[in-house]
Amino acid sequence: KAGVTQTPRYLIKTRGQQVTLSCSPISGHRSVSWYQQTPGQGLQFLFEYFSETQRNKGNFPGRFSGRQFSNSRSEMNVSTLELGDSALYLCASSLDLGKGNTIYFGEGSWLTVV
Amino acid sequence: QKEVEQNSGPLSVPEGAIASLNCTYSDRGSQSFFWYRQYSGKSPELIMFIYSNGDKEDGRFTAQLNKASQYVSLLIRDSQPSDSATYLCAVVDFGNEKLTFGTGTRLTIIP
Repeated sequence: KAGVTQTPRYLIKTRGQQVTLSCSPISGHRSVSWYQQTPGQGLQFLFEYFSETQRNKGNFPGRFSGRQFSNSRSEMNVSTLELGDSALYLCASSLDLGKGNTIYFGEGSWLTVV
Repeated sequence: QKEVEQNSGPLSVPEGAIASLNCTYSDRGSQSFFWYRQYSGKSPELIMFIYSNGDKEDGRFTAQLNKASQYVSLLIRDSQPSDSATYLCAVVDFGNEKLTFGTGTRLTIIP
């Protein structure tokens, strides 16, 4: 059974650019949530999608956005990149988060903003 | 007050001994509790998942949940050097579709 797949794994962007990260959940999982991990702030929740609907959103500026497609694959976008956006971005997959199901992470996308 | 609290460590345990990791949470509505292991430069790996009071065992790992006292712990028996990592406690609140993480405990197993 394939795990959670995130692409790209590593990327370097310049301040002011935008970036799109992709996540393919485990087959059959309909919930995808996104997290940002930095040394200073730890793991912070960005947003969660279920059946193409955003159900929950963390405390991040509007530059951070996401969406989910009908096949449950999800993308997140960060516009007008800032140096502080350099982080590991993690995607998590679940049958239905918040309903007593297990939650698995992908390998993450390492974003460096220069 | 932080929602999920862990001792950041580092926690050093001799090889073969029992490592005990603790986590407290503030929301009594919390429903599901997770322990993840994260090696440096890697993503979190699910170790244990518990939602009922009591103990849950899986190999060398035992998760213990006490909802009345609002704490969850992870015991690692016969600790191995490969267990050296950061252990993250995470909580899902009922009807709140997100994982809330503690800051993690860095565990070092000393050969």
